[in-house]
Amino acid sequence: DTGVSQDPRHKITKRGQNVTFRCDPISEHNRLYWYRQTLGQGPEFLTYFQNEAQLEKSRLLSDRFSAERPKGSFSTLEIQRTEQGDSAMYLCASSGRGSYNEQFFGPGTRLTVL
Amino acid sequence: AQKVTQAQTEISVVEKEDVTLDCVYETRDTTYYLFWYKQPPSGELVFLIRRNSFDEQNEISGRYSWNFQKSTSSFNFTITASQVVDSAVYFCALSEVNTGFQKLVFGTGTRLLVSP
Repeated sequence: DTGVSQDPRHKITKRGQNVTFRCDPISEHNRLYWYRQTLGQGPEFLTYFQNEAQLEKSRLLSDRFSAERPKGSFSTLEIQRTEQGDSAMYLCASSGRGSYNEQFFGPGTRLTVL
Repeated sequence: AQKVTQAQTEISVVEKEDVTLDCVYETRDTTYYLFWYKQPPSGELVFLIRRNSFDEQNEISGRYSWNFQKSTSSFNFTITASQVVDSAVYFCALSEVNTGFQKLVFGTGTRLLVSP
């Protein structure tokens, strides 16, 4: 049983550096989502893909953030010129066909910006 | 605007006690879905249940039960005979038809601590 996987699980970086995270969804799922979760808060929606198309982006996703899903399979989330406020858990989720299928989450990537 | 409120930040119970986690939501849509997720210490969100806005029937799954009341915009979650393994943060979430049900809006979560 392969669920949603994310890599790396932890990332420590210095302010100003670029970081990239990867998410591999459940293989038959065509929708992929990114969320951000800070300490003591619920996850906040960042963006989502249907196949390779990025269909919605939150205002939380500043110009320093970019997400891709080039072949409709795995996705990457890049943060350029990281800031301390970017420190958070970045969660990826996927869901199958159908407009209301539940989203299955990966273990997350915890980013710490020093 | 959509919003989910979980007023209980943390609840502590002793094993075998029943516990209810409250969830109140706000939405302008008449068509929406409500969810509960569990986040154990390992960090991975685990899907527990999805209900649509047209189905107000309560649901029971083992020790878990859910009470959906549109009149009070609430979707409460009860764990019967709690166990230590139930210790986790529980999130209530909402998705609406105007976002194609693709965006989950989460509450701030309730941390449940079950002691032996």
